[in-house]
Amino acid sequence: DAKTTQPPSMDCAEGRAANLPCNHSTISGNEYVYWYRQIHSQGPQYIIHGLKNNETNEMASLIITEDRKSSTLILPHATLRDTAVYYCIRTPGSNDYKLSFGAGTTVTVRA
Amino acid sequence: NAGVMQNPRHLVRRRGQEARLRCSPMKGHSHVYWYRQLPEEGLKFMVYLQKENIIDESGMPKERFSAEFPKEGPSILRIQQVVRGDSAAYFCASSPTRASSGNTIYFGEGSWLTVV
Repeated sequence: DAKTTQPPSMDCAEGRAANLPCNHSTISGNEYVYWYRQIHSQGPQYIIHGLKNNETNEMASLIITEDRKSSTLILPHATLRDTAVYYCIRTPGSNDYKLSFGAGTTVTVRA
Repeated sequence: NAGVMQNPRHLVRRRGQEARLRCSPMKGHSHVYWYRQLPEEGLKFMVYLQKENIIDESGMPKERFSAEFPKEGPSILRIQQVVRGDSAAYFCASSPTRASSGNTIYFGEGSWLTVV
């Protein structure tokens, strides 16, 4: 049970921003939101994570709503190499130890 | 700082043989996780270990699979008497503390096991 909801797929034009939504309506106050991606035949790659505040790094920005029930991952200038499956994941609970992966969003960047 | 290192990257075994997959966590990381990804399927948690201890093995098949993370050396995922259904990509991940603390879990590039 991944405890997050993502659209199964989305397309994005090369050079444009890609906005990937994630719903985590039952998230508790101390749970983080993590984003990973998996390019075909590679290991999952960490992108970004956050708790309450918006976060930005060299790969992406993470926008978390004030009520923390949803978030958006923004890839500012998508390239063909950003084609991958993107996973939105919540921190494990206090009695859990693992990140649980759902089906994610398959993002296809088109030229 | 080297990432999570897995070897071998590709392994072919005949049915009934043993497969050993090794994982060296990132420097300073004492928590290791193993995941399995069957062809065209998602990532499934198998086991979580700290040095010398198995903390959560709720995702491990009951038979033929075992994991260890000794005080010295890499973590090992061992599959005895492999069958065709074990063909998959096996990913190792590591973190400095448990995942619920907000630290990042980093993944290796995986070991692809093919059973013929």
